[in-house]
Amino acid sequence: AQTVTQSQPEMSVQEAETVTLSCTYDTSESDYYLFWYKQPPSRQMILVIRQEAYKQQNATENRFSVNFQKAAKSFSLKISDSQLGDAAMYFCAYRSADFGNEKLTFGTGTRLTIIP
Amino acid sequence: DTGVSQDPRHKITKRGQNVTFRCDPISEHNRLYWYRQTLGQGPEFLTYFQNEAQLEKSRLLSDRFSAERPKGSFSTLEIQRTEQGDSAMYLCASRFGLAITDTQYFGPGTRLTVL
Repeated sequence: AQTVTQSQPEMSVQEAETVTLSCTYDTSESDYYLFWYKQPPSRQMILVIRQEAYKQQNATENRFSVNFQKAAKSFSLKISDSQLGDAAMYFCAYRSADFGNEKLTFGTGTRLTIIP
Repeated sequence: DTGVSQDPRHKITKRGQNVTFRCDPISEHNRLYWYRQTLGQGPEFLTYFQNEAQLEKSRLLSDRFSAERPKGSFSTLEIQRTEQGDSAMYLCASRFGLAITDTQYFGPGTRLTVL
């Protein structure tokens, strides 16, 4: 079974600064997808960024980028130019690439606080 | 609003009562998922549907839990004889399902409190 570990329960960053959230995972599969989801307080979870394991290039979405290290099974999220609206719980998630294996396996989350 | 919707948003019940939650996926999404999120944890997979067929159930889904998706549209999750350990946020998600890379879109959740 796959597991996802987020070792930072809480992080804080000054507004406009850069912060990196860590995630490691364990799997015996060679093809899979990794995700970062954001869950603002009392609001629904939204996808921040996605990485396909077969792609060597790290995914980027505007101020959000990942550092995907497949051999180390590491998948960190970098948020540049942090904004107050980035304050949320961030969850790292894993999904098998097998059709029919649909579930997302989540980590325990990192609560990100933005300091004005 | 074309997002995933869930009803009710909050439910307080007494131990031993039955509760039912509803999820309306995004139109034309044929995959629908249920997750449970307890305090301080990430969501945990419960079950998923492809159209009206329930294709996978987690071991977390005890025989007190049942989920349906009649006609492949909305879905209901029923918990019978609720226990205090059932207190959690129940999240629904849907995705289009044609490509494996399609994103799962989450609803706002139903927060269940069992007294």
